[in-house]
This record gives sequence, C-alpha cells and structure tokens, in this order.
Amino acid sequence: GAVVSQHPSRVICKSGTSVKIECRSLDFQATTMFWYRQFPKQSLMLMATSNEGSKATYEQGVEKDKFLINHASLTLSTLTVTSAHPEDSSFYICSARGVDGYTFGSGTRLTVV
Amino acid sequence: QQQVKQSPQSLIVQKGGISIINCAYENTAFDYFPWYQQFPGKGPALLIAIRPDVSEKKEGRFTISFNKSAKQFSLHIMDSQPGDSATYFCAASKGMAARQLTFGSGTQLTVLP
Repeated sequence: GAVVSQHPSRVICKSGTSVKIECRSLDFQATTMFWYRQFPKQSLMLMATSNEGSKATYEQGVEKDKFLINHASLTLSTLTVTSAHPEDSSFYICSARGVDGYTFGSGTRLTVV
Repeated sequence: QQQVKQSPQSLIVQKGGISIINCAYENTAFDYFPWYQQFPGKGPALLIAIRPDVSEKKEGRFTISFNKSAKQFSLHIMDSQPGDSATYFCAASKGMAARQLTFGSGTQLTVLP
C-alpha cells in the first residue's frame, strides 16, 4: 500500500528558531499533500493544502508566514515552522492521497522550549 | 454544512464485546466515508471506507454501516480486543480527488482485558 514517510518524528527546539518537517510519498506521486495539526485528545485540524509547483492554500486563521510550505517535487512536501514559540508545540501530521485513499505520515511531535 | 459529528467521545468495552461508534454528516455532496485508527504518537491509519452506493461494508472484524437517508454511518468492531484500544476518527470527503477530509471529533476506545 501507499506509504507516507514523515521526519523527524520528534523535535525539540528553542523558542525563536525554525524547524523543518519533511513529508515524502515513498511509492507514489502526490501532486497534493495536506498538513494537519493535532492537539492532545483532539481531532486533526487542517492547516494547509500543499500543491506541487505552486503556492500552498492555507486554512483560515493559519499564518502563512509562520508555517511555510514547500512542495518542490511530486514526492516531497516540507513544513517549516518559523520563529517557533511554545504555543506552536503540537503534533503535526501530513497526508497524501494514494490509490487506496488518503495515507498519513506518522506525525512529528514538536516541542518548543 | 462541512461538519461531521461523532459519538461517543469515549467508549469502554469488555474484551470480546462489540464496539459501536456513530457519525452523522450534513453535506449531501460527501461521497467517501473512511474510518481511521490512531494510536498515541502515531498518524491515523485507514481502517475501512465506504461509498454511499452500498449500505454495509465488512473487512474482518470491522464493519461500516451506512444510512444515506439519515446521513449517518457507523463503525462496528466485533470481538473487540485490547489491541483495538485507540482513537477512532470518522471522516468524509467529496470525491476521491485530492480534496481534504472533514474529520469527526474522535472516539477514544478502551477495550478491557
């Protein structure tokens, strides 16, 4: 089945620094990938839709300058959290649509200290 | 119109019992209804999905029942096992094209040994 690889699985960074999260579709091409944020015991909240070769589409209330998305190839999308602050600490998950439906990465636990 | 309402929020079942989780949607344009299973610290994994042209789909111990007129669908887990303890999310989308899923709020299932 389709596999989406997400790295890193955990990252701790200092406040004010930037963190990059990678999402790769391993055995299929994905012109569109999705980035979600999930708080403890809550559902997934869509942050943005990443489109290969074009600008990402951000959901209302998501700061595009803080959460930079790049989808430079059909198998890789990256999310960069810029000037991270403790309130950005969360679980970030990417997904892409494969043949069998939407496949999710294993998530990245970001902790900003 | 984009909401998917999920209940219950939490569910405790004895080993061997039946776990039932319900979802209701509003947007009649939705035509793809997947269920995802998520373990702590991991991304959601597709469990089973259904389209509105069938009323039931079964895969192993997991069954989706779909009621188009009531705009409701449910997940039944037969012979529940402690390993099934996880958070379950229903979701819906319009078409299998690269559109984002609308998620339910999640159900935390605990299966007691």
